[in-house]
Amino acid sequence: DIQMTQSPSSLSASVGDRVTITCRASQSISIYLNWYQQKPGKAPNLLIYAASSLQSGVPSRFSGSGSGTDFTLTISSLQPEDFATYYCQQGYSTPITFGQGTRLEI
Amino acid sequence: DVQLVESGGGLVQPGGSLRLSCAASGFTFSGYSMSWVRQAPGKGLEWVANIKEDGGEKYYVDSVKGRFTISRDNAKNSLYLEMNSLRAEDTAVYYCARVGSSGWSFLDYWGQGTLVIVSS
Repeated sequence: DIQMTQSPSSLSASVGDRVTITCRASQSISIYLNWYQQKPGKAPNLLIYAASSLQSGVPSRFSGSGSGTDFTLTISSLQPEDFATYYCQQGYSTPITFGQGTRLEI
Repeated sequence: DVQLVESGGGLVQPGGSLRLSCAASGFTFSGYSMSWVRQAPGKGLEWVANIKEDGGEKYYVDSVKGRFTISRDNAKNSLYLEMNSLRAEDTAVYYCARVGSSGWSFLDYWGQGTLVIVSS
């Protein structure tokens, strides 16, 4: 199974900050890497797919990059509604696996 | 609008069984693979199972193989998860999700989730 490791596990930031979350795969996954945002009590919401493609309706302050084993999710200017937990997910092979999550706090 | 609505969760004793359902609307259900993903209380996301568009191929995480069965009824626009021999560690919110059609195995729409509690 491919292991996905996110860092940091938690992060404190302020409105307007630029934030970067990293995700590392235990083996190369090309660009089969997706990012989700989850708010408490809600289902996850797809932000980025194929490492860098912005899902329809997602604000352009979110961006993704990377290939192979190392990936990043960047939020260019944090907004109050961005404080949530973020997960990466590999779609390269079954079983699909998620990172452990990064909790973004004020 | 795409909608996925899960049902069937509840309290069940260890060793018991439960069947989850997911009613889909707003898209051509038969044209998409579907997934179940779960989240234990206070924990991260865990993929459980996938089923291809025609139901011909199914995939499971090792921890549920032989106990859970994913199925679908394209005529009823519905996805199911039959769960047997339930264990305390199966306690979680179970989400159904649509697998995006572009081949990158992302989950582009999710239901609101249904809570399964396995406890005596």
